[in-house]
Parts: sequence; structure tokens; C-alpha cells
Amino acid sequence: ELKVEQNPLFLSMQEGKNYTIYCNYSTTSDRLYWYRQDPGKSLESLFVLLSNGAVKQEGRLMASLDTKARLSTLHITAAVHDLSATYFCAVDMRYSGGGADGLTFGKGTHLIIQP
Amino acid sequence: ETGVTQTPRHLVMGMTNKKSLKCEQHLGHNAMYWYKQSAKKPLELMFVYNFKEQTENNSVPSRFSPECPNSSHLFLHLHTLQPEDSALYLCASSQTGGSYNEQFFGPGTRLTVL
Repeated sequence: ELKVEQNPLFLSMQEGKNYTIYCNYSTTSDRLYWYRQDPGKSLESLFVLLSNGAVKQEGRLMASLDTKARLSTLHITAAVHDLSATYFCAVDMRYSGGGADGLTFGKGTHLIIQP
Repeated sequence: ETGVTQTPRHLVMGMTNKKSLKCEQHLGHNAMYWYKQSAKKPLELMFVYNFKEQTENNSVPSRFSPECPNSSHLFLHLHTLQPEDSALYLCASSQTGGSYNEQFFGPGTRLTVL
């Protein structure tokens, strides 16, 4: 059974601090996705990581992928209140090449950034 | 309209009612998905459609019946639901045939079963 585990599941931090969210998965997939969800809203795609060693950055968020360790990280630099949200990582369920494939999600990391 | 839209946004129904959820994607994608998000479980895949054909039914009870008349529209027909079916139902779409499967989500329908 495919498993995607995130930690921590809940994180409260102060503005200006740095922190990392971890995502471990049990498949051999080399594709990983990060999404953001604001309360009462839908999921917004943040990053698509496609290969071992992939690193992507957008503003204060940086995501990386280590396929050998089956680990992805989402690093937050100098956090600001606007980044408060729930962050999900996901992998393809079957990785059927270019075909349609459902995603298996982690439980999400609920991030609160205090002023 | 842009992106992925879903209607209704909120729905309250009794256990004996029949209702339908609608999803439309304006992205020109060829694959569409239904997911369920409840408080007790992670996001769960329900159904996958690729070029209008169902390619995945993730062991979903028959009281949920999907329909995909074309690549832009996806429905979820509901009947005889249970209170534990109360959840946020999310529709997503993606373009297959490439090197990755980035999915774009609609705003969801918040369903309450009484």
C-alpha cells in the first residue's frame, strides 16, 4: 500500500523564523507535488518536482526531492503571516507514465505563523 | 469562467435524497478526478476519467455514481447517502501525455448528509 507521511502535522511558528516540513513516501516515484490549502478553500498547486535532486523556489518557499531517500522537504524562510495554510505533499498512485493517475496525499501540515 | 468550477458550493441533503454535483474544467485538459476530503482521513481519490472513460474506481460505494459526458464536464450523482459521507468533494483536472500529472482543483462542494 502506498503511503505518504508528512511531519509535523501541526506547526506554530513566529514570523521571521525558518522551518522545514518533511514528506516521506513509499513508492519509487520520481515525481512529487506540493499543494497549499487555505481554510475553506481549494488546493493550489505550489511545486512539481520531477527528478532526484530537483529543487524549486517560489518566494519564501523552497521544495526539494531526494528520490533515493524517498523524501521531499518544503522549507520556509523568514516566515510571514500570509504563509499560514495547510500544506500537502502528494505522489502519483501508480506512476503510469503519461496517463491519468490519481494522487495519494499526505495528511497535510497545518501551519500557523504568528505575528 | 476560468480554471475548474464546481456547483453547488454547499449542499445539505437527507439520507433518502438524490442529488448531483457538477464539475467543469476550462483548461482544455483530458483527465478529470473526484476526491473526498473529510476531517478524519487524508484526501482520498474516488474516480478517474481519461478522455471520458473511467479508468479508476477506488473502491467507492455504489451510492456514488460518476458520469463524464465529455472531457470538460464531470458529475457525481448521489443517492441514499450516509452521515459519514459528509465531506468536501473536490474535482480536479489534468493534461495527460506529458512528463507529469499536475492536477488543478476546483473550490469543492461542502456536503452535509443529515
